[in-house]
Amino acid sequence: SQQGEEDPQALSIQEGENATMNCSYKTSINNLQWYRQNSGRGLVHLILIRSNEREKHSGRLRVTLDTSKKSSSLLITASRAADTASYFCAEQMEYGNKLVFGAGTILRVKS
Amino acid sequence: NAGVTQTPKFQVLKTGQSMTLQCAQDMNHEYMSWYRQDPGMGLRLIHYSVGAGITDQGEVPNGYNVSRSTTEDFPLRLLSAAPSQTSVYFCASTADRGFGYTFGSGTRLTVV
Repeated sequence: SQQGEEDPQALSIQEGENATMNCSYKTSINNLQWYRQNSGRGLVHLILIRSNEREKHSGRLRVTLDTSKKSSSLLITASRAADTASYFCAEQMEYGNKLVFGAGTILRVKS
Repeated sequence: NAGVTQTPKFQVLKTGQSMTLQCAQDMNHEYMSWYRQDPGMGLRLIHYSVGAGITDQGEVPNGYNVSRSTTEDFPLRLLSAAPSQTSVYFCASTADRGFGYTFGSGTRLTVV
């Protein structure tokens, strides 16, 4: 399988706490993307980080990328109940046009 | 509204039947992809296209065909449905590989 791995599989936190999700991937990448999926819905693109970038911010989201370890992390600060969802990383391969997803992290934010 | 439209939203098939899942986008995106989502396995790439007339296989292409005769449409055909194809199918598109994808709302398919 070309799928990467995400850690943890599930995460439960209190509202206001920070949530960190990790992603490991297998190939050389052009970029790495993070998506959110609310239950029973389609995926929504959150943020994209290119292979020559190390950190990127968007609102309460912070993404880091370590290409030497083939890993990325997504930090959601000051979480809200509305952040409850599944979060997926996806690697856009350096060569070729495939976007390959990890298995995802289920985040539950308790109010 | 601009976006990716998938039809139908729900479908029940009998084993051996064929059908086409429709996907259309109105954003003039060149890249389009089909994924299936099964519990605990994330999304797996079935087929993808980088422009009209160009398609390629993903991770799990067996049992599925695609064509891309126009920029807007990317239908997915199930040739002879099997219970293992019970899944939620998502279509997605993007302007270029350096951008995020826009996803449709999915088709929930059950094969009995």
